[in-house]
Amino acid sequence: DAGVIQSPRHEVTEMGQEVTLRCKPISGHNSLFWYRQTMMRGLELLIYFNNNVPIDDSGMPEDRFSAKMPNASFSTLKIQPSEPRDSAVYFCASSLISNQPQHFGDGTRLSIL
Amino acid sequence: QKEVEQNSGPLSVPEGAIASLNCTYSDRGSQSFFWYRQYSGKSPELIMFIYSNGDKEDGRFTAQLNKASQYVSLLIRDSQPSDSATYLCAVNRHNFNKFYFGSGTKLNVKP
Repeated sequence: DAGVIQSPRHEVTEMGQEVTLRCKPISGHNSLFWYRQTMMRGLELLIYFNNNVPIDDSGMPEDRFSAKMPNASFSTLKIQPSEPRDSAVYFCASSLISNQPQHFGDGTRLSIL
Repeated sequence: QKEVEQNSGPLSVPEGAIASLNCTYSDRGSQSFFWYRQYSGKSPELIMFIYSNGDKEDGRFTAQLNKASQYVSLLIRDSQPSDSATYLCAVNRHNFNKFYFGSGTKLNVKP
């Protein structure tokens, strides 16, 4: 079975540009999570969807960050405008239901110059 | 106080030894507990999960949970150099939809 698929794998862009990260969860999974990982702060939960509905976005750092899940097989995380401090690895994960183990995608390594 | 605390390590053990990784959590209402392994430059990979007090064994791995002490551990028997990675502890409180990861313990298994 295909795992969680994220794109792009790497993104390098200049400060001020819009960045869109994409995620396809495992088919049949009802919960989707976006994380950010840095050396300083470790793995941080940004937002969590259940049945395509955002449940908790308290981890979203600023209004520059937004996430959508228009259907069960696709989600986006958008940063506009991007800043150098947004540079990190962004992971998407999905689980069957919210309290079950999460399965992670390969991540997007984002560099904002 | 962090929700999930782990010793950052590195924890060094010789090949064939038992590696013991520990994690404490602050939310007494936490209900699900997970261990992930993360190799450098890779994504976290699920190793074990445990929901009830006691031990749960899967191959060379044993997860131990003590809710009274708010403590969860991972034992790796017959450690191999391929086990060298960072191990992340995660906890979940279902009714509040809260998920927390520890900062991870780096394990080095020396041949």
